[in-house]
Amino acid sequence: GQQVMQIPQYQHVQEGEDFTTYCNSSTTLSNIQWYKQRPGGHPVFLIQLVKSGEVKKQKRLTFQFGEAKKNSSLHITATQTTDVGTYFCAGARKTSYDKVIFGPGTSLSVIP
Amino acid sequence: DTEVTQTPKHLVMGMTNKKSLKCEQHMGHRAMYWYKQKAKKPPELMFVYSYEKLSINESVPSRFSPECPNSSLLNLHLHALQPEDSALYLCASSQWGAGGLGHEQYFGPGTRLTVT
Repeated sequence: GQQVMQIPQYQHVQEGEDFTTYCNSSTTLSNIQWYKQRPGGHPVFLIQLVKSGEVKKQKRLTFQFGEAKKNSSLHITATQTTDVGTYFCAGARKTSYDKVIFGPGTSLSVIP
Repeated sequence: DTEVTQTPKHLVMGMTNKKSLKCEQHMGHRAMYWYKQKAKKPPELMFVYSYEKLSINESVPSRFSPECPNSSLLNLHLHALQPEDSALYLCASSQWGAGGLGHEQYFGPGTRLTVT
């Protein structure tokens, strides 16, 4: 079946450093979403990427969708303590339009 | 109103109990989801309702029984659960099913379930 992988599993950064998490799918995706879950909270939608090679920015966050629509990345510039949480990518399969597959997530800790 | 509400927030039940989890959204979304999340793990899809019909059951044991009374409500009926079923149960909704724009999911705060 389809698998979505993310690396790294954990990342500890000093406040002000950059952070990147990578997401890879074993199959071509119709779209990919990114979610953030704060400790003790629930997943919150960040963004959706649909087009091959798409790049979207939200303030200090940059999201990319690979040309083959099988991988994606999230880059945070100059991390802040408010960025702490687990970042999940979630890919929708081309053959199934009712579900997405969540990656295992990258847990980000920011040391002030 | 962009909120998904879930009740109760916490639930402790014995293995012989019957209980229900409730989820509600008033965003006019036509797809609703139940997820199970264990600590330090991603949400694991259980059920998907699309236009009030069950469209996906991810081989969930029959001790979990979903119900969608109308387009705004989603229930999860629990019976004869096991201790390993203890987890955070998340409800989510999206405007349409997956595929294309409008699929972003709005999650509720979850119900923290403990089975004793």
